[in-house]
Amino acid sequence: KAGVTQTPRYLIKTRGQQVTLSCSPISGHRSVSWYQQTPGQGLQFLFEYFSETQRNKGNFPGRFSGRQFSNSRSEMNVSTLELGDSALYLCASSSGLTDTQYFGPGTRLTVL
Amino acid sequence: AQTVTQSQPEMSVQEAETVTLSCTYDTSENNYYLFWYKQPPSRQMILVIRQEAYKQQNATENRFSVNFQKAAKSFSLKISDSQLGDTAMYFCAFMKHDSGYALNFGKGTSLLVTP
Repeated sequence: KAGVTQTPRYLIKTRGQQVTLSCSPISGHRSVSWYQQTPGQGLQFLFEYFSETQRNKGNFPGRFSGRQFSNSRSEMNVSTLELGDSALYLCASSSGLTDTQYFGPGTRLTVL
Repeated sequence: AQTVTQSQPEMSVQEAETVTLSCTYDTSENNYYLFWYKQPPSRQMILVIRQEAYKQQNATENRFSVNFQKAAKSFSLKISDSQLGDTAMYFCAFMKHDSGYALNFGKGTSLLVTP
């Protein structure tokens, strides 16, 4: 099976812009979770989608949003970008039958 | 909220030696899962080992084993016969049982394996 894929791998934006990141889970996986990784805050949970419904949400402002499609692919959107949004954004998928999440390679977002 | 603490920001070990990475956590939950993930310089997060809290037996995966002390809320990772390819950041993570997939990560331990 192919692993979790994320596009794009690298992205450069300027303050105030918005951005959309995409995640394709492992085939058959229904859960997709998103994490933000920064040197200062470490790895922080953003949100999780399961069968097109947001099931969990971390402590992030409303500028961060996501959605999941019927084929389980997920997108996350960040509006009105700030310098502090520069980070590695990781997506992870799970089948929903086990407790294990498998991570994608990440999208490196740089906000100038 | 659950917190995960990794008290060793950096560690170094020689090839073929054994090293132990520490992790403690704070929770009021009784059922949960614990994980160790490895993140090499490529940034790809790789699952190393997992432990279910209701299982008393410590998990093992080849050269990797854990010492799970539920009462002490401790979950350390032992790497035996260290290899150069083990050089990476290691993250301890906690997940509640039956409430979806939301990992709480520690700050990580940077492990360097030297020849």
